[in-house]
Amino acid sequence: QQPVQSPQAVILREGEDAVINCSSSKALYSVHWYRQKHGEAPVFLMILLKGGEQKGHEKISASFNEKKQQSSLYLTASQLSYSGTYFCGTGGNNAGNMLTFGGGTRLMVKP
Amino acid sequence: NAGVTQTPKFQVLKTGQSMTLQCAQDMNHNSMYWYRQDPGMGLRLIYYSASEGTTDKGEVPNGYNVSRLNKREFSLRLESAAPSQTSVYFCASRGRQGYEQYFGPGTRLTVT
Repeated sequence: QQPVQSPQAVILREGEDAVINCSSSKALYSVHWYRQKHGEAPVFLMILLKGGEQKGHEKISASFNEKKQQSSLYLTASQLSYSGTYFCGTGGNNAGNMLTFGGGTRLMVKP
Repeated sequence: NAGVTQTPKFQVLKTGQSMTLQCAQDMNHNSMYWYRQDPGMGLRLIYYSASEGTTDKGEVPNGYNVSRLNKREFSLRLESAAPSQTSVYFCASRGRQGYEQYFGPGTRLTVT
């Protein structure tokens, strides 16, 4: 079943913070976050694994609450380049091999 | 190092026509995936291949077939296209040790 993301869309001014949430009705072993700019392919941001391990590329932080089956992505001091659609993907116990993606959160950062 | 490449970039088909979408990666990755993305929606997995010689169904496999030709190439075939298959198709790959999926640029398919 598809994870549910909230909010569906958010508009920020440069420098403001945002939180994007992802929740699942199934037990989570991993949560993957991707960003997609308009007309482009999704790009990996980070993965959070059961047990607390995190791996990511950018200055973006996230949390993973295994008990609540939820993850949140924290965008602090947002920049114009953060604009895009953010997707969470939830994985089974074979982390990363098969992901189910949420419907996405559209983020627009204005000057 | 081109990463993941897909051909064609754009395609228009008539209902009932068939076509094959090509995908290749040069990163020596074991796993490869085909997704579709409908307007304003998330990605849905069609098929994936955990390694050369193996393929498995994803969420939405009906109307599609795949071939993992070798380690580099993973093709997606539409035998009889339907308007409901109008979408953007993304191919992705992942290395054995890593978690990150690398996506190709996508194929925009319209079925009229």
